[in-house]
Amino acid sequence: EVQLVESGGGLVQPGGSLKLSCAASGFSFSGSAMHWVRQASGKGLEWVGLIRSKTNNYATTYAASVKGRFTISRDDSKNTACLQMNSLKTDDTAVYFCARTLGGGFYYWGQGTLVTVSS
Amino acid sequence: QSALTQPASVSGSPGQSITISCTGTSSDVGGYNYVAWYQQHPGKTPKLMIYDVTKRPSGVSNRFSGSNSGNTASLTISGLQAEDEADYYCSSCTSSSTYWVFGGGTKLTVL
Repeated sequence: EVQLVESGGGLVQPGGSLKLSCAASGFSFSGSAMHWVRQASGKGLEWVGLIRSKTNNYATTYAASVKGRFTISRDDSKNTACLQMNSLKTDDTAVYFCARTLGGGFYYWGQGTLVTVSS
Repeated sequence: QSALTQPASVSGSPGQSITISCTGTSSDVGGYNYVAWYQQHPGKTPKLMIYDVTKRPSGVSNRFSGSNSGNTASLTISGLQAEDEADYYCSSCTSSSTYWVFGGGTKLTVL
């Protein structure tokens, strides 16, 4: 059974940093690209970024809204993907999901972790 | 403002069919066969209903179907049931630097 479990969310002040983790199991993590998607309360879904597999040189791509502030990494030995978030803004307040695709859609989702950016 | 445009709300009676549209551009919906649709009930994680425009993941009812025409994709739900009441989102790959975009979501009300 595929499982994705996010952790690391919490309350942080504007300008601060936070690191989220996504622990994966039940599939070939090392061969899979991993995505992060977020959803502010009462709002729609927003793609944040992805990290590709070793085969694709662990290349990363980010949404314009987070580029230069967020960094995605992975540790294939621990089946874990991470989202390092710096220079956080109040607009970054959201539930953050890690996800894995099936074809061109996000099929596997974690339960999400809440990030609140507030003073 | 979301990159893909969806109606804010649609409604239908049990047993009826409804269609939700998702309008983009030739850089996303019209340029890739990677349109997907998600169902999200309040407080729940999104559930993939359609991927690659027309494909259904295992376990998804065949009452859900997808199509694409030019820069507009559509999700059709036939034989509406009360449990179909939820928010629906579309997504697509894009050739822009954003790489992946979502629609703003459509609230389906089953009357």
